[in-house]
Amino acid sequence: NAGVTQTPKFQVLKTGQSMTLQCAQDMNHEYMSWYRQDPGMGLRLIHYSVGAGITDQGEVPNGYNVSRSTTEDFPLRLLSAAPSQTSVYFCASRRPNTEAFFGQGTRLTVV
Amino acid sequence: AQSVTQLDSHVSVSEGTPVLLRCNYSSSYSPSLFWYVQHPNKGLQLLLKYTSAATLVKGINGFEAEFKKSETSFHLTKPSAHMSDAAEYFCVVSDPTGANNLFFGTGTRLTVIP
Repeated sequence: NAGVTQTPKFQVLKTGQSMTLQCAQDMNHEYMSWYRQDPGMGLRLIHYSVGAGITDQGEVPNGYNVSRSTTEDFPLRLLSAAPSQTSVYFCASRRPNTEAFFGQGTRLTVV
Repeated sequence: AQSVTQLDSHVSVSEGTPVLLRCNYSSSYSPSLFWYVQHPNKGLQLLLKYTSAATLVKGINGFEAEFKKSETSFHLTKPSAHMSDAAEYFCVVSDPTGANNLFFGTGTRLTVIP
């Protein structure tokens, strides 16, 4: 049972480049979310989904897109990377009103 | 609106002494509350959760937390710190309405001195 799998673990981008962070879960969870973690700020919600075909914005959605075509996958797209998007990104999945399970994170640096 | 406040950004204790990490929450409803731990360069692991059952919640690795509605607190404790407890700890509240999202505190870094 792999849980929540994120790829890649590390990435360096140049300003203006685009990329997709992958997230997959094998627990058949309805809810999936993307967070970014910055020093002293905890985890902030970027986008979330309550089921296949349904997505919505969190606290800090600007510069990111998501889609949820299947229950298992929830990719995060950076449209045009900026240095302010340098962060550690976590994907999570859960059932309603239960705890979240997190991936191992993606450390992204934008230069 | 839901939110949590972790009252200390950094706590330092000696090995073998008690640990207290403080968390206050704000919620318009009966919340679900969680504590997660993050070791350096690792993901987040659930320590314990409160979901309106017993107010004293026991978690992994000897940690406990007590839900106090009158004080809107959910402090994390451990009787005796171990070197392996050195990590970042996050208090989290769940919004029971709508999308049921999780809201994180800013974290408390625990240092354990040998």
